Amino acid sequence: DAGVTQSPTHLIKTRGQHVTLRCSPISGHKSVSWYQQVLGQGPQFIFQYYEKEERGRGNFPDRFSARQFPNYSSELNVNALLLGDSALYLCASSLAGLTSYEQYFGPGTRLTVT
Amino acid sequence: AQTVTQSQPEMSVQEAETVTLSCTYDTSESDYYLFWYKQPPSRQMILVIRQEAYKQQNATENRFSVNFQKAAKSFSLKISDSQLGDAAMYFCAYRGFYNQGGKLIFGQGTELSVKP
Repeated sequence: DAGVTQSPTHLIKTRGQHVTLRCSPISGHKSVSWYQQVLGQGPQFIFQYYEKEERGRGNFPDRFSARQFPNYSSELNVNALLLGDSALYLCASSLAGLTSYEQYFGPGTRLTVT
Repeated sequence: AQTVTQSQPEMSVQEAETVTLSCTYDTSESDYYLFWYKQPPSRQMILVIRQEAYKQQNATENRFSVNFQKAAKSFSLKISDSQLGDAAMYFCAYRGFYNQGGKLIFGQGTELSVKP
């Protein structure tokens, strides 16, 4: 079975632009979470979606938004990019949002903002 | 708010030897999960081992084991018979049992190098 997939692998954007990152969960998984990992630090939680509804949100500005589609894939959108948004963006999927404790991570999207 | 602290930015071990990575956490919750994740240079975050706080027995997964001290809020990872492929960044993570958001809280990481 395919694991969590993310696209694109790498992305270079200019300050002020908008970016969309995509994630496909493991087949059968209904929950997707997004994390931001700045170089040299641990991942920081951004969002969790379960059954197409937002179930959790981290301490990120409103420039960050996400959604989950009927097939459980997800998009993370970031508007008005700042240099500080440069990071590895990780997507994780799990079987269920409330009680399942195991999250499986994708390879990430490396975003560079210049 | 819950926090996770890894006080060892870097660790080194000789191949075939044993190494222990430290992690402490702070929480007011009584039920939660703790995890160790491995992140090699390929960037893929891989679950190494998990511990349920309500279980007194320390989790073991092949060469990997934990020392879970609930009262001390300590959760260390022991890697036995270290192999070159164990070289990676290791992250300790916490998740509240009733956290409907599924939010994982990560430590800063420990970079493990393995010397041949």
